[in-house]
Amino acid sequence: GNSVTQMEGPVTLSEEAFLTINCTYTATGYPSLFWYVQYPGEGLQLLLKATKADDKGSNKGFEATYRKETTSFHLEKGSVQVSDSAVYFCAPQGGSNYKLTFGKGTLLTVNP
Amino acid sequence: DVKVTQSSRYLVKRTGEKVFLECVQDMDHENMFWYRQDPGLGLRLIYFSYDVKMKEKGDIPEGYSVSREKKERFSLILESASTNQTSMYLCASSPYEGNYGYTFGSGTRLTVV
Repeated sequence: GNSVTQMEGPVTLSEEAFLTINCTYTATGYPSLFWYVQYPGEGLQLLLKATKADDKGSNKGFEATYRKETTSFHLEKGSVQVSDSAVYFCAPQGGSNYKLTFGKGTLLTVNP
Repeated sequence: DVKVTQSSRYLVKRTGEKVFLECVQDMDHENMFWYRQDPGLGLRLIYFSYDVKMKEKGDIPEGYSVSREKKERFSLILESASTNQTSMYLCASSPYEGNYGYTFGSGTRLTVV
């Protein structure tokens, strides 16, 4: 089955700092890759996705590039805001049953 | 706007009570899932369903059961609630095939006292 290793948190940054959250995965075949975000007290929301090698997913200033050679899908944002404070989950999806495999989540806190 | 709706955001129940958590989706998805989320443990799959009246155990099914009588509704049942079932419960749905990701509900924060 698939597995994912996600950078452990918590991560604390000042507003306008650069963000990287690392994610590597193992999977059979060619999974699609997702980042989900969970704001306090809420469910998970899809942040961005990429479906094939070298694809770049982007949304709300966040980006991640599907790197097949390093099996990675690192999340980046050039300038974080206080409103980006949340838990971020990396998740590959693939295999015969199309199951999502979630990382443990990374808590990001952005201070003003 | 397509969505997954969980009937309660917050719920407080007593030990030993039978508890029903309801989830409804309007996207005609075949797959539905129940997760629980606890600090430091991430998301853990309780049960999932590929079709009406079909169900399969996830990683932590003990103490839970599910019901899927209609395609749009997936219920999680705590037969006899215990304090160690205090948690955030998340419902999700997805199409039967294809890597489209899951759509999640807003979650139910259950406290068992």
